[in-house]
Amino acid sequence: ETGVTQTPRHLVMGMTNKKSLKCEQHLGHNAMYWYKQSAKKPLELMFVYNFKEQTENNSVPSRFSPECPNSSHLFLHLHTLQPEDSALYLCASSQRFDAETEAFFGQGTRLTVV
Amino acid sequence: AQRVTQPEKLLSVFKGAPVELKCNYSYSGSPELFWYVQYSRQRLQLLLRHISRESIKGFTADLNKGETSFHLKKPFAQEEDSAMYYCALDDTGNQFYFGTGTSLTVIP
Repeated sequence: ETGVTQTPRHLVMGMTNKKSLKCEQHLGHNAMYWYKQSAKKPLELMFVYNFKEQTENNSVPSRFSPECPNSSHLFLHLHTLQPEDSALYLCASSQRFDAETEAFFGQGTRLTVV
Repeated sequence: AQRVTQPEKLLSVFKGAPVELKCNYSYSGSPELFWYVQYSRQRLQLLLRHISRESIKGFTADLNKGETSFHLKKPFAQEEDSAMYYCALDDTGNQFYFGTGTSLTVIP
């Protein structure tokens, strides 16, 4: 698989569980993003990493914890989630400060919190 | 503040009819604007970008700085165009801003 790969594709977890979402990009990009796509809400940016440094945190609850160990990998650690956190979580990457940048998206992880 | 506005959540047109998906933006600099599309069960993907001035799948979008708009147009809609469309703005700094999306349904 080339591009942006997310695992797992589907995840069901209880409110007391701890799980992690993984994202890999094989495009040589220097920025990665986590977005939340809920059924009745717009696409919401959660976190931005530029050159492995977190540059944006859009008021995301602390039960979501991102990790970017290198420019190719991005994780979203989840703990004590709420049912309203059920959504599609999308990872994206881009080449920042480039002339023709665009965001490439993974297929997402469909998360259900029970 | 919402940087990208898509006023229509749902849009239905008949096959062969023209379609226009509206997008307005708010940005003081020189933005880069994009349209992304998400077909059923597929990933969100780039449809076109304003700097390329290209036509993809018959769609075009012109950046109108005076009206701060970047509407997506196609003269003759096809059934396979049914999808979710997102307008996006790149502030050439830290992030992309997405609109709330417009769900387009093309009626056979």
